[in-house]
Amino acid sequence: EADIYQTPRYLVIGTGKKITLECSQTMGHDKMYWYQQDPGMELHLIHYSYGVNSTEKGDLSSESTVSRIRTEHFPLTLESARPSHTSQYLCASSELVEQFFGPGTRLTVL
Amino acid sequence: AQKVTQAQTEISVVEKEDVTLDCVYETRDTTYYLFWYKQPPSGELVFLIRRNSFDEQNEISGRYSWNFQKSTSSFNFTITASQVVDSAVYFCALSGPQGGSEKLVFGKGTKLTVNP
Repeated sequence: EADIYQTPRYLVIGTGKKITLECSQTMGHDKMYWYQQDPGMELHLIHYSYGVNSTEKGDLSSESTVSRIRTEHFPLTLESARPSHTSQYLCASSELVEQFFGPGTRLTVL
Repeated sequence: AQKVTQAQTEISVVEKEDVTLDCVYETRDTTYYLFWYKQPPSGELVFLIRRNSFDEQNEISGRYSWNFQKSTSSFNFTITASQVVDSAVYFCALSGPQGGSEKLVFGKGTKLTVNP
């Protein structure tokens, strides 16, 4: 099982702020993913990476951006947060096929 | 295109009842993987099981069992003698072959409530 960490767990910010959601894993997995999930709803893939310096957009269009400079680190950035960005953001990593998830960040934009 | 359907939006049972969560999938891949994840109220997704398309053996793990049937494109999950701690949202997911479309496609989830 992967050790995967996300910070912060909860974040409440005002409109227009720049934020970065952190995601780190200690298992050396090449593949990492970001999902967005509204409460009680399905998960939508917004970004993924298959290795350092590799990032792709997922199935759900998102105004966020990601970077993958180190294998273990896959941060997600919103340049100007809006209330429509209020959601839970889940990070995952995998070595083979199954993905292991972090605890998530619940973001509220006022 | 890949698709996962969990027709049951919510299920409510009384403790010790058995409950089955349904999952039907669609894919054009001949090799694929199926998964079940549990999401308790705390929000994290917990991996429960992975099943390969070429292995139709059913699996049992304690009170959990999974029934994979390629003929009906189904991968159902049964909890025997349910407990309050089983209350969560359960997601079924599908991915393509390794090296191909490895992205997970999730169903919409089934919220299970186990009442004491």
